[in-house]
Amino acid sequence: GQQVMQIPQYQHVQEGEDFTTYCNSSTTLSNIQWYKQRPGGHPVFLIQLVKSGEVKKQKRLTFQFGEAKKNSSLHITATQTTDVGTYFCAGRNNTDKLIFGTGTRLQVFP
Amino acid sequence: DGGITQSPKYLFRKEGQNVTLSCEQNLNHDAMYWYRQDPGQGLRLIYYSQIVNDFQKGDIAEGYSVSREKKESFPLTVTSAQKNPTAFYLCASSIALNTEAFFGQGTRLTVV
Repeated sequence: GQQVMQIPQYQHVQEGEDFTTYCNSSTTLSNIQWYKQRPGGHPVFLIQLVKSGEVKKQKRLTFQFGEAKKNSSLHITATQTTDVGTYFCAGRNNTDKLIFGTGTRLQVFP
Repeated sequence: DGGITQSPKYLFRKEGQNVTLSCEQNLNHDAMYWYRQDPGQGLRLIYYSQIVNDFQKGDIAEGYSVSREKKESFPLTVTSAQKNPTAFYLCASSIALNTEAFFGQGTRLTVV
């Protein structure tokens, strides 16, 4: 079945450093979504990418969807302590299922 | 105040008992989902529903059952057949299957 892997599993950074998480699917995706889950909380939607090669920005966050629509990345510039949490990608292929990636847990040290 | 509500937040059950987790949304969303999250893990899809009176199995449906008799409600029953039921259960809804999902606060189920 469809699998969505994320790397790295964990990332510890000093405040102000950049952070990137990568998402790879075993199948071509129709779209990809990104979510953030704070410790003890529930996932909150960040963005959706649909087009091949699409790049979207939200302040310090940059999201990319690969040309082959099988991978995606989230890059955070100059991390802050408020960025702490687990970042998940989630994608759909030609089925109706929304499959979540394994997640990357980000810890930011002040 | 619109949103998606899961209750209760914490639930304890004895092994061998069935338990039903509630999920209600007043967002008028057609699609609803149930995910399971284990400590330090991602979200795994249990069941999803595109529309009332219809639902489909996700990747880990064994030992679970759902119903979708009303648009607003998508309860999940964890049966005694589920081998490792202790987990954090998240319900979500979306306008349609290819739009953003809104999650409830989750129910942490502990089976002893």
